[in-house]
Amino acid sequence: GENVEQHPSTLSVQEGDSAVIKCTYSDSASNYFPWYKQELGKRPQLIIDIRSNVGEKKDQRIAVTLNKTAKHFSLHITETQPEDSAVYFCAASRRNNDMRFGAGTRLTVKP
Amino acid sequence: GAVVSQHPSRVICKSGTSVKIECRSLDFQATTMFWYRQFPKQSLMLMATSNEGSKATYEQGVEKDKFLINHASLTLSTLTVTSAHPEDSSFYICSARDGVGDRGSPLHFGNGTRLTVT
Repeated sequence: GENVEQHPSTLSVQEGDSAVIKCTYSDSASNYFPWYKQELGKRPQLIIDIRSNVGEKKDQRIAVTLNKTAKHFSLHITETQPEDSAVYFCAASRRNNDMRFGAGTRLTVKP
Repeated sequence: GAVVSQHPSRVICKSGTSVKIECRSLDFQATTMFWYRQFPKQSLMLMATSNEGSKATYEQGVEKDKFLINHASLTLSTLTVTSAHPEDSSFYICSARDGVGDRGSPLHFGNGTRLTVT
C-alpha cells in the first residue's frame, strides 16, 4: 500500500520568511496529492492540491510542486504570517481510493 | 462546497460501554466514506473504508468486531466503538469525497468526535 513520509516534523520561521515542507510517496500509481492544514482540535482543511498531470500549482502565498519521477512533492508558503501556524499534512491517493497521510509538520510562525 | 456533518463532537463514556458516531454527507451522496483516528500530536490513520450497501474494509490491525461500521444510505455512515476501553480514547474523524474520476478529488472531513473513555 501507499506510504507517505513527511519532513520536517516541526518547523519554526520568522514572520515574513518562507516555509517549505517535503513529502515522499511510495506508490507510483498515486495521482492526487492534497495538503491539509489542521488547527488544534479542528478538522483538517484542504489548502491546495495537485494532480499527477501537473508539476506545479500556486494559489497566492501557497505553492505545491510535484516530481513524479522522484515521487516527492513539496509545499511552499511565502511571506508567512502568525495565522499560518498550524499542523500541515500531506497526503497521497490513487484515483478515488483511500487517502494516506504523512506524519504532519507543526509550523510555528514567530511574530 | 461539500459538507460532512459528524455527531457527537465530544463524548465521555465509561469503560465497557458502546458509543455510536454518525457521519452524514449533507449536500452530496457518498457511496464511500473513510474513518480516521487521530491520537494527540499524531497523524490521521485510516481505520476503515465504509461502503454503502456492503461490508466495510478494515485496515490491518483494526478489529472489525470492535469498530462496527454501517453505511446504510448514500448519506450516512456510522461507527460504533463497542466495549470501549481507555486506550480507545482518541479523535475519530470521518470523511468523504463528492467528486469522481480518475484524477482524484479532495476528502471533506467532518468536525470529528473526541472520545474519552474513563
